[in-house]
Amino acid sequence: DTEVTQTPKHLVMGMTNKKSLKCEQHMGHRAMYWYKQKAKKPPELMFVYSYEKLSINESVPSRFSPECPNSSLLNLHLHALQPEDSALYLCASSQDGDSFIAKNIQYFGAGTRLSVL
Amino acid sequence: GQSLEQPSEVTAVEGAIVQINCTYQTSGFYGLSWYQQHDGGAPTFLSYNGLDGLEETGRFSSFLSRSDSYGYLLLQELQMKDSASYFCAVRAVSGNTPLVFGKGTRLSVIA
Repeated sequence: DTEVTQTPKHLVMGMTNKKSLKCEQHMGHRAMYWYKQKAKKPPELMFVYSYEKLSINESVPSRFSPECPNSSLLNLHLHALQPEDSALYLCASSQDGDSFIAKNIQYFGAGTRLSVL
Repeated sequence: GQSLEQPSEVTAVEGAIVQINCTYQTSGFYGLSWYQQHDGGAPTFLSYNGLDGLEETGRFSSFLSRSDSYGYLLLQELQMKDSASYFCAVRAVSGNTPLVFGKGTRLSVIA
């Protein structure tokens, strides 16, 4: 099973709403990632969790709040978003890839397409 | 920091061969990956080069020259379903590190 599952697939929210994006993997991967992707652009890293600890925050605004309840789950809590935050939000996971040769392949979910009105 | 350069668009004929180049500048280097993303879909892993040379996986091959900071993805016997965006991505350090993606090459396969 090489599947990363994201819910919901689509989300429309107002600027005063609070919502959460969910991501789940059962591959035993110890690293999980949140990316933001705008149309015709590459994925842009937001957060990295390694062994359930936040290891990288790419200066993301505090209206985005990640959470890793356990090694299989990753959430992204959204509050007071702006219209420019509308994008595809991708979750990914990878095995512990500490050696020079290790591929550290990232497996992506299908994403949540978020529209902020 | 890291930066990657790849062509923004490539068009090729069904059945042909196409090469997508990627040059990179990084402060450290552990490997070059290639990902495919269809419109509305998730990026999916295609190939990885940690060492110089050619890696072959079916119709797709990837090449790396560390001394030239250069790699390419070669797609053979092109099919219409290969129309997608292709991203090269650098892994700059070891461990559970993020990838740095190039801006992507939009491949259009025409009949």
